[in-house]
Amino acid sequence: AQSVAQPEDQVNVAEGNPLTVKCTYSVSGNPYLFWYVQYPNRGLQFLLKYITGDNLVKGSYGFEAEFNKSQTSFHLKKPSALVSDSALYFCAVRGGNTGGFKTIFGAGTRLFVKA
Amino acid sequence: DTEVTQTPKHLVMGMTNKKSLKCEQHMGHRAMYWYKQKAKKPPELMFVYSYEKLSINESVPSRFSPECPNSSLLNLHLHALQPEDSALYLCASSQGPQGASGNTIYFGEGSWLTVV
Repeated sequence: AQSVAQPEDQVNVAEGNPLTVKCTYSVSGNPYLFWYVQYPNRGLQFLLKYITGDNLVKGSYGFEAEFNKSQTSFHLKKPSALVSDSALYFCAVRGGNTGGFKTIFGAGTRLFVKA
Repeated sequence: DTEVTQTPKHLVMGMTNKKSLKCEQHMGHRAMYWYKQKAKKPPELMFVYSYEKLSINESVPSRFSPECPNSSLLNLHLHALQPEDSALYLCASSQGPQGASGNTIYFGEGSWLTVV
């Protein structure tokens, strides 16, 4: 069975500092990995995805994520956090081999960026 | 900005009412989804339509009834709901079914449903 874990309920970072939101996954076969952001009272916005190729994926709003196959991780990063980055972040995974191919979402990590 | 449009943004309904949530996308996507999301929780898949046919029903109670009139539209008909059904209902779409490569699922802004 496929699963995804976001080990931190909340991440606090000062504006201007680098941020990391962690995600680990478990799937059969090659994974498809996604990051979404949700601002208060809004839907989920797609940030970036890893399908194949370069392990470092760049996405919207200056975010990037690094795929690490040996550690089964896909951590979201940004070199310099903004107060406006404060939101709820979801990692999602879809397995490449198992039947159904449903997208599984992590529990979410709340990011607080302090001015 | 999202290209998946949902109406209404807010809906309050009684337990005996019949109402519908509507969703529209003009990206030419052939898969459409309904998700339910409780506060500060991840979205939970309810239904998937692939090429206008229902392909996944995640054991959703029959008081929720999906409909896909055409490839651009998706409805969720609501009847005899319970207060615990109050949530944010998200519509989404993707180019093809989830199982096909790394298709991205794009979400609408959601419909806030309150059952009183």
